[in-house]
Formats: sequence, structure tokens, C-alpha cells
Amino acid sequence: NAGVTQTPKFRVLKTGQSMTLLCAQDMNHEYMYWYRQDPGMGLRLIHYSVGEGTTAKGEVPDGYNVSRLKKQNFLLGLESAAPSQTSVYFCASSSVRTGRDEQYFGPGTRLTVT
Amino acid sequence: DQQVKQNSPSLSVQEGRISILNCDYTNSMFDYFLWYKKYPAEGPTFLISISSIKDKNEDGRFTVFLNKSAKHLSLHIVPSQPGDSAVYFCAATGGSGNTPLVFGKGTRLSVIA
Repeated sequence: NAGVTQTPKFRVLKTGQSMTLLCAQDMNHEYMYWYRQDPGMGLRLIHYSVGEGTTAKGEVPDGYNVSRLKKQNFLLGLESAAPSQTSVYFCASSSVRTGRDEQYFGPGTRLTVT
Repeated sequence: DQQVKQNSPSLSVQEGRISILNCDYTNSMFDYFLWYKKYPAEGPTFLISISSIKDKNEDGRFTVFLNKSAKHLSLHIVPSQPGDSAVYFCAATGGSGNTPLVFGKGTRLSVIA
């Protein structure tokens, strides 16, 4: 049982490049989330999903797109990376059975945009 | 406008003493509160939670107190241990429907041996 995994762990992009961050969970959770963490800013929600095929915007969605084609995967895309998107990205999941609120987090992806 | 505020960016405590981390919220619709702990280079992990129908929840060395009238909660760690050194995030939610968690900015706790 790996919990929540994120790929890749580190990435450096040039301004304007695109990339996709992959999140996978093996706990059969219904809900999945993408956050970014910046120094002094805490965790800010980018997008989330309450089930396969559904997504919703969070607090800071601009510049990002997401897809949830399979229940266990949640993809975060950057179509044209900007230096302001330099951050640590965390994926999380939670179950409707045990409480949507108790989220399980992945180890994070550190992204640098130059 | 911050709905969940952790006004102390950092806190230092001696080993064996009590650590008290504070959190204030502004949204009266919040009815479920959580604390997460985060070590460097790792994702946050759930620590303890409390529903608004309670004013205290205890789990081993960790106790969370909720004062609804003051819109304030606190996390007490007794006794503090060096392994407790981490960043602690307070989070809140409306607890129903699809309302996501709202996190504070975190407090970095250093427990000094």
C-alpha cells in the first residue's frame, strides 16, 4: 500500500514549456486535490475532484488544468509555465467514508521555472 | 482575506515543556477543524481534529481546544519532544457538501533538547 505517490519529485522548466504532474493513490479514495505551497503562504488549493470525471477550481486555479479520467489518478497540467509557478506541489486524497476532511498527502513535487 | 490565521510563524520550546500553537478563523460556517504536521521534504500528515460540537479532543500527547465564541483553536503538545519539531498547519472546513479544507500559513515549532 503506497498511499499517495507523485511523479516527478523534481523538475526544472523554462518559461513557456509545458508539463504534467501525475498523482496516484491506491486507497480507492473518491476525493483528490492539488495544492501548492510557497514560503509564508501555507497550502493553497489549485483544483480538486470529488469523483472520476469531475473537477472543480480551488483558490488559485489560473494557469493550471486538471483531469481525473481514472479514480486513482489526478493529473495537473501547466500549459505554459511561468516563473510565478515555481513552487512545491502536493497532491492529496480522502475518502467519503472516513471523512473528506482527513486528507492523505503525497511527498510533493518541487518545480522550478526559470 | 485569510479565513484561517496562524499569527505565529515560529515557536521555540524546551524539551519536556508544553508547546501551544494557536489558530484563529473568521468564517462562522466552519464546523470541523484539523491540525497537520509537516517535516521538510515530506507531505503533511494528519495529526488531530475536532468537531464544533466539542470543545476538546485528546490523542496521547496532543490535545486540541476549540473556543467557538472566540473563533479560536489551539494545539497543545505535552511533553514536547525533539521529534515534534516540524511545521504545523491548522485547517478548517464547513464539513458538509464539497467544501474543501482551508489551511493557515503554518507555525514552525522547534523543540530544543
